[in-house]
Amino acid sequence: NAGVTQTPKFRILKIGQSMTLQCTQDMNHNYMYWYRQDPGMGLKLIYYSVGAGITDKGEVPNGYNVSRSTTEDFPLRLELAAPSQTSVYFCASSYGDKYTEAFFGQGTRLTVV
Amino acid sequence: AQTVTQSQPEMSVQEAETVTLSCTYDTSESNYYLFWYKQPPSRQMILVIRQEAYKQQNATENRFSVNFQKAAKSFSLKISDSQLGDTAMYFCAFRNNAGNMLTFGGGTRLMVKP
Repeated sequence: NAGVTQTPKFRILKIGQSMTLQCTQDMNHNYMYWYRQDPGMGLKLIYYSVGAGITDKGEVPNGYNVSRSTTEDFPLRLELAAPSQTSVYFCASSYGDKYTEAFFGQGTRLTVV
Repeated sequence: AQTVTQSQPEMSVQEAETVTLSCTYDTSESNYYLFWYKQPPSRQMILVIRQEAYKQQNATENRFSVNFQKAAKSFSLKISDSQLGDTAMYFCAFRNNAGNMLTFGGGTRLMVKP
Protein backbone atom coordinates (compact mmCIF):
# COMPACT_ATOMS: atom_id res chain seq x y z
CA ASN A 1 0.00 0.00 0.00
CA ALA A 2 1.72 3.19 -1.21
CA GLY A 3 -0.27 5.69 0.92
CA VAL A 4 0.40 9.29 -0.10
CA THR A 5 2.99 9.74 -2.85
CA GLN A 6 4.56 13.08 -3.72
CA THR A 7 6.78 13.85 -6.65
CA PRO A 8 9.38 15.19 -7.05
CA LYS A 9 11.29 14.86 -3.76
CA PHE A 10 13.61 17.74 -4.56
CA ARG A 11 13.50 20.60 -7.06
CA ILE A 12 15.37 23.80 -7.76
CA LEU A 13 13.48 26.50 -9.64
CA LYS A 14 14.59 29.80 -11.00
CA ILE A 15 12.64 32.93 -10.12
CA GLY A 16 9.65 33.29 -12.43
CA GLN A 17 9.48 29.64 -13.44
CA SER A 18 6.41 27.52 -12.85
CA MET A 19 5.99 23.94 -11.76
CA THR A 20 3.46 21.42 -10.51
CA LEU A 21 3.94 19.32 -7.40
CA GLN A 22 2.18 16.01 -7.78
CA CYS A 23 0.30 14.24 -5.01
CA THR A 24 -1.62 11.00 -5.27
CA GLN A 25 -3.16 8.74 -2.63
CA ASP A 26 -4.47 5.20 -2.94
CA MET A 27 -6.53 5.05 0.26
CA ASN A 28 -9.75 6.45 -1.23
CA HIS A 29 -9.58 9.41 1.13
CA ASN A 30 -11.94 12.23 0.34
CA TYR A 31 -10.01 14.95 2.19
CA MET A 32 -6.67 16.15 0.86
CA TYR A 33 -4.39 18.98 1.98
CA TRP A 34 -1.32 20.89 0.92
CA TYR A 35 0.99 22.38 3.55
CA ARG A 36 4.27 24.22 3.46
CA GLN A 37 6.88 23.99 6.18
CA ASP A 38 9.53 26.68 6.37
CA PRO A 39 12.81 25.81 8.14
CA GLY A 40 12.29 25.20 11.85
CA MET A 41 8.64 26.15 11.63
CA GLY A 42 5.25 24.48 11.74
CA LEU A 43 3.03 23.51 8.84
CA LYS A 44 0.89 26.15 7.19
CA LEU A 45 -2.16 25.14 5.19
CA ILE A 46 -2.09 26.28 1.56
CA TYR A 47 -5.18 24.63 0.06
CA TYR A 48 -7.48 21.78 0.91
CA SER A 49 -10.13 19.67 -0.78
CA VAL A 50 -13.06 17.75 0.67
CA GLY A 51 -13.72 15.79 -2.50
CA ALA A 52 -13.30 15.68 -6.25
CA GLY A 53 -14.20 19.00 -7.83
CA ILE A 54 -14.11 20.90 -4.51
CA THR A 55 -11.16 22.99 -3.34
CA ASP A 56 -10.76 25.82 -0.87
CA LYS A 57 -8.08 28.20 0.33
CA GLY A 58 -6.15 27.68 3.50
CA GLU A 59 -3.99 30.09 5.44
CA VAL A 60 -1.36 30.92 2.77
CA PRO A 61 -2.84 30.40 -0.74
CA ASN A 62 -1.23 33.31 -2.59
CA GLY A 63 1.02 32.22 -5.43
CA TYR A 64 -0.47 28.72 -5.63
CA ASN A 65 -3.30 26.95 -7.38
CA VAL A 66 -4.82 23.50 -7.04
CA SER A 67 -7.26 21.23 -8.79
CA ARG A 68 -9.01 18.02 -7.78
CA SER A 69 -10.38 16.25 -10.81
CA THR A 70 -10.19 12.78 -9.22
CA THR A 71 -10.34 11.41 -5.68
CA GLU A 72 -6.75 10.20 -5.94
CA ASP A 73 -4.90 13.25 -7.25
CA PHE A 74 -4.39 16.73 -5.83
CA PRO A 75 -1.67 18.63 -7.71
CA LEU A 76 -0.30 21.97 -6.48
CA ARG A 77 0.71 24.51 -9.10
CA LEU A 78 3.26 27.26 -8.47
CA GLU A 79 3.09 30.11 -10.93
CA LEU A 80 5.93 32.63 -11.20
CA ALA A 81 8.09 31.13 -8.46
CA ALA A 82 9.54 33.53 -5.90
CA PRO A 83 12.30 33.03 -3.27
CA SER A 84 9.62 33.28 -0.57
CA GLN A 85 8.24 29.97 -1.85
CA THR A 86 11.40 28.14 -0.87
CA SER A 87 10.07 25.55 1.55
CA VAL A 88 9.22 21.91 2.10
CA TYR A 89 5.78 21.03 0.78
CA PHE A 90 3.67 18.27 2.26
CA CYS A 91 0.58 16.67 0.84
CA ALA A 92 -1.77 14.86 3.23
CA SER A 93 -5.04 12.97 3.04
CA SER A 94 -7.67 11.62 5.41
CA TYR A 95 -11.12 10.18 5.57
CA GLY A 96 -14.00 12.52 6.26
CA ASP A 97 -14.29 10.94 9.73
CA LYS A 98 -12.88 13.77 11.81
CA TYR A 99 -11.25 11.54 14.39
CA THR A 100 -9.05 9.79 11.91
CA GLU A 101 -5.50 10.90 11.40
CA ALA A 102 -4.16 12.58 8.31
CA PHE A 103 -1.55 10.61 6.38
CA PHE A 104 1.34 12.55 4.95
CA GLY A 105 3.59 12.19 1.96
CA GLN A 106 7.38 12.38 2.30
CA GLY A 107 7.49 16.01 1.27
CA THR A 108 9.02 17.97 -1.60
CA ARG A 109 11.96 20.24 -0.86
CA LEU A 110 11.71 23.23 -3.20
CA THR A 111 14.37 25.89 -3.58
CA VAL A 112 13.75 29.01 -5.65
CA VAL A 113 16.92 30.83 -6.72
CA ALA B 1 -9.97 30.75 12.40
CA GLN B 2 -8.35 28.45 14.88
CA THR B 3 -4.83 29.02 16.16
CA VAL B 4 -2.50 26.55 17.81
CA THR B 5 0.41 27.71 19.97
CA GLN B 6 3.38 25.71 21.16
CA SER B 7 5.31 27.94 23.52
CA GLN B 8 8.44 25.79 23.83
CA PRO B 9 10.57 25.96 20.66
CA GLU B 10 13.13 23.53 22.07
CA MET B 11 13.34 21.11 24.96
CA SER B 12 15.76 18.48 26.14
CA VAL B 13 15.42 15.53 28.48
CA GLN B 14 17.68 12.80 29.77
CA GLU B 15 17.05 9.29 28.56
CA ALA B 16 14.52 7.43 30.78
CA GLU B 17 13.13 10.64 32.26
CA THR B 18 9.75 12.25 31.69
CA VAL B 19 9.07 15.39 29.66
CA THR B 20 5.92 17.41 28.99
CA LEU B 21 5.32 19.43 25.83
CA SER B 22 2.78 22.24 25.95
CA CYS B 23 0.07 23.18 23.47
CA THR B 24 -2.73 25.70 23.66
CA TYR B 25 -5.35 26.49 21.06
CA ASP B 26 -8.05 28.99 20.41
CA THR B 27 -11.48 28.04 19.10
CA SER B 28 -15.13 28.90 19.53
CA GLU B 29 -16.27 25.36 18.72
CA SER B 30 -17.46 22.98 21.41
CA ASN B 31 -16.38 19.79 19.69
CA TYR B 32 -13.14 19.27 17.82
CA TYR B 33 -10.20 16.91 17.56
CA LEU B 34 -6.64 17.23 18.76
CA PHE B 35 -3.54 15.40 17.64
CA TRP B 36 0.17 15.19 18.39
CA TYR B 37 2.44 14.35 15.49
CA LYS B 38 6.12 13.48 15.57
CA GLN B 39 8.50 14.50 12.79
CA PRO B 40 11.92 12.81 12.98
CA PRO B 41 14.83 13.97 10.78
CA SER B 42 13.44 11.81 7.96
CA ARG B 43 10.65 14.44 7.64
CA GLN B 44 7.96 11.79 7.88
CA MET B 45 4.91 12.92 9.89
CA ILE B 46 3.90 10.24 12.39
CA LEU B 47 0.76 10.31 14.52
CA VAL B 48 1.59 9.96 18.22
CA ILE B 49 -1.78 10.35 19.93
CA ARG B 50 -5.25 11.82 19.39
CA GLN B 51 -8.06 13.18 21.55
CA GLU B 52 -11.69 14.04 20.87
CA ALA B 53 -12.82 17.14 22.74
CA TYR B 54 -16.07 15.76 24.14
CA LYS B 55 -14.29 12.80 25.72
CA GLN B 56 -13.28 13.65 29.27
CA GLN B 57 -10.74 10.86 29.64
CA ASN B 58 -7.20 11.69 28.65
CA ALA B 59 -5.82 9.58 25.82
CA THR B 60 -2.88 7.25 26.44
CA GLU B 61 -0.68 5.33 24.00
CA ASN B 62 2.04 3.32 25.71
CA ARG B 63 4.63 5.87 26.97
CA PHE B 64 2.68 8.82 25.57
CA SER B 65 -0.23 10.46 27.33
CA VAL B 66 -2.04 13.77 27.17
CA ASN B 67 -3.39 16.22 29.71
CA PHE B 68 -6.46 17.69 28.03
CA GLN B 69 -7.91 20.72 29.82
CA LYS B 70 -10.88 21.82 27.73
CA ALA B 71 -11.77 24.94 29.71
CA ALA B 72 -8.19 26.14 29.55
CA LYS B 73 -7.89 25.07 25.87
CA SER B 74 -4.74 23.19 26.70
CA PHE B 75 -3.48 19.88 25.30
CA SER B 76 -0.07 18.88 26.63
CA LEU B 77 1.87 15.73 25.72
CA LYS B 78 3.73 13.73 28.34
CA ILE B 79 6.44 11.33 27.26
CA SER B 80 7.48 8.88 29.95
CA ASP B 81 10.70 6.84 30.00
CA SER B 82 12.13 8.95 27.17
CA GLN B 83 14.13 7.08 24.55
CA LEU B 84 16.77 8.28 22.11
CA GLY B 85 14.34 7.52 19.28
CA ASP B 86 11.95 10.12 20.67
CA THR B 87 14.28 12.86 19.44
CA ALA B 88 12.20 14.75 16.86
CA MET B 89 10.02 17.76 16.21
CA TYR B 90 6.61 17.45 17.82
CA PHE B 91 3.57 19.20 16.43
CA CYS B 92 0.23 19.79 18.07
CA ALA B 93 -2.69 19.89 15.62
CA PHE B 94 -6.33 20.95 15.80
CA ARG B 95 -9.09 19.64 13.57
CA ASN B 96 -12.37 21.55 13.49
CA ASN B 97 -15.76 19.93 13.95
CA ALA B 98 -16.49 20.04 10.22
CA GLY B 99 -13.26 18.11 9.72
CA ASN B 100 -12.04 20.12 6.78
CA MET B 101 -9.36 22.20 8.51
CA LEU B 102 -6.30 20.71 10.21
CA THR B 103 -4.22 23.46 11.85
CA PHE B 104 -0.72 22.92 13.23
CA GLY B 105 1.30 24.65 15.91
CA GLY B 106 4.82 25.88 15.35
CA GLY B 107 6.41 22.76 16.81
CA THR B 108 8.71 21.83 19.69
CA ARG B 109 12.11 20.35 18.97
CA LEU B 110 12.81 17.63 21.54
CA MET B 111 16.29 16.28 22.15
CA VAL B 112 16.69 13.15 24.25
CA LYS B 113 20.18 12.96 25.71
CA PRO B 114 21.96 9.73 26.66
